[in-house]
Formats: sequence, C-alpha cells, structure tokens
Amino acid sequence: GQNIDQPTEMTATEGAIVQINCTYQTSGFNGLFWYQQHAGEAPTFLSYNVLDGLEEKGRFSSFLSRSKGYSYLLLKELQMKDSASYLCAVMDSNYQLIWGAGTKLIIKP
Amino acid sequence: GAVVSQHPSWVICKSGTSVKIECRSLDFQATTMFWYRQFPKQSLMLMATSNEGSKATYEQGVEKDKFLINHASLTLSTLTVTSAHPEDSSFYICSAALREHEQFFGPGTRLTVL
Repeated sequence: GQNIDQPTEMTATEGAIVQINCTYQTSGFNGLFWYQQHAGEAPTFLSYNVLDGLEEKGRFSSFLSRSKGYSYLLLKELQMKDSASYLCAVMDSNYQLIWGAGTKLIIKP
Repeated sequence: GAVVSQHPSWVICKSGTSVKIECRSLDFQATTMFWYRQFPKQSLMLMATSNEGSKATYEQGVEKDKFLINHASLTLSTLTVTSAHPEDSSFYICSAALREHEQFFGPGTRLTVL
C-alpha cells in the first residue's frame, strides 16, 4: 500500500529552526510537495522536489532523498505566523497526490 | 496568477437537502480538477478527479450518486452533495491542475448539515 508518515505535532520557539520529516512509500514517484495549512483554510503550496537535494526558498527549505524515501521541510527564523499544519504529499505514478496526515507546528514566544 | 475560487465559502443546510459547491479557476484553464474532503484534525482525502467533458473518477468508498460532479468547462467544476446528512458535514476543498505537478487549491467550503 501507499503510505506517508510525518510527526503529528511539533513545538518550537520563535526565532529558532525546526525540521519536519516525512517518509513515504508509494507506487511510483513524480515529486514530493509540502503545503502549509492554517486552521480553517485550504492548503497553500510551499515547495516541490523531484530530484535529490535541497531546495531553498527564503526561510523555508525542502530536502529530498529518493533512495531513502525521505524528505524534510526546514523552517528558519520561526515567526508566530508559521504556526500551522504542514502537509507532505507525494505524486505517484498516476500523477495522483498521496497525502500525509500533516504535522501541526506550534510556535511559542 | 493561478487563482482558484470556491463558492460558497460556508453553508448550513437541513438534513435531506442538496448543496452545490462551485470551483472555478479564474486565470487559467484546468483540464483536471480534484475534490477533497477534510474532517477536523485529519488530512485531505481525495474524493474524485474531474476531467472536463468526461465523467469523474471517484475514489473507493465515495458514492458517486451522492456526490455528483459536473465539469462543464475548463474553468468550472461543481460538486453537489445530494440528500445531505450530518455526517457529510466537512470542509470541502477543490484544486485545479495547471500542469501535472501543479495543483492550486480553492479556499474551501465548510458544510454544516443540521
């Protein structure tokens, strides 16, 4: 079966750095996505990785290792507004998104 | 660019009534639109994939006669929840695919069935 695993909840301090991990097992791979979802809102796109390595975009970076079925989202200089759920999703061989359950990130002052 | 809208943003209805939710891609044409449902504190669950001009493909366990999907044009897909019941109360989100690896989400519709 297809499976995406990520921690349920994480807590970090404002101004710090946090890494949210995601491991996956899917039938085929056409890229891995990270989305941010604030409570009561739809997800917003953060990043897309299809090749191994690190993609940096401002305070957010995303890493992928296809051989390990592993990705992480790195958030630097945390701000209170970064408190949200972070969803990892993998596009399988049929170009369908397989979603993780999301990681709720709590930022404390 | 790549804006997707949904209407209504929230709706409250009585049990047994039908509710229609519209999903529009405002500044691009989407050959494929997706409908998701999200219950509180859970991840998105794909309900169906909607292709313009053809019948929607429903995920296992999703009743196609209850959740009617019409993808009439390249910019509009509708989801009708027929004979809604309280257990259908959820957050319904659509997304539109610009390209295979680019999905853009609408703001969601919160449905409450009394």
